[in-house]
Amino acid sequence: QVQLTESGPGLVHPSETLSLTCTVSGFSLTGYSVYWVRQPSGKGLEWMGRMRYNGDTSYNSALKSRLSISRDTSKNQVFLKMNSLQTDDTGTYYCTRAATVAPFDYWGQGVMVTVSS
Amino acid sequence: DVVLTQTPPTLSATIGQSVSISCRSSQSLLHSNGNTYLNWLLQRPGQPPQLLIYLVSRLESGVPNRFSGSGSGTDFTLKISGVEAEDLGVYYCVQSTHAPNTFGAGTKLELK
Repeated sequence: QVQLTESGPGLVHPSETLSLTCTVSGFSLTGYSVYWVRQPSGKGLEWMGRMRYNGDTSYNSALKSRLSISRDTSKNQVFLKMNSLQTDDTGTYYCTRAATVAPFDYWGQGVMVTVSS
Repeated sequence: DVVLTQTPPTLSATIGQSVSISCRSSQSLLHSNGNTYLNWLLQRPGQPPQLLIYLVSRLESGVPNRFSGSGSGTDFTLKISGVEAEDLGVYYCVQSTHAPNTFGAGTKLELK
């Protein structure tokens, strides 16, 4: 069955770089896109960016200068790197699958990231 | 970026009651390919969101048919025909027509 699992550090210091991994199973990264979405604690959802099935990437313009998304198809993994973290980057980070007409059809459980000194 | 305005922000309902949530877009969500990429998600407490409806009105597999979506252009509605306890949580509309994808602020459905 389709699964997505986020992993990464729970605590990041201000000004440091966040590195997260989304490991997928049950589908191919060359057939589906993967999005990264984040949610500050107690708040709403923000689309961060995507890795398309063909390897292209696109980013939320508000985050573009700090964000990079890449993948390793042999390991079924999509990576997120975001630099210059601040306290308002604290929240839960999700990866989600995007089918052509039904994006957001499968989600990981999310990983909680706290930015604190 | 496209702004999605959801109303009401909070909805109180009794079990069995029918309710509706509105999602209005700052611009038309009709894509040049003829599709309208407006989706509805439900996030239960402590859980990741789940897809309920895509392309305005298509029910995701496994979602009960008491959920229905309608609308076009800039105005969209999610209706729950007979709320059940498992429906409580926060509902989000999200558009994928225009880059970047954007979410509404959410509507919290709670028991009256």
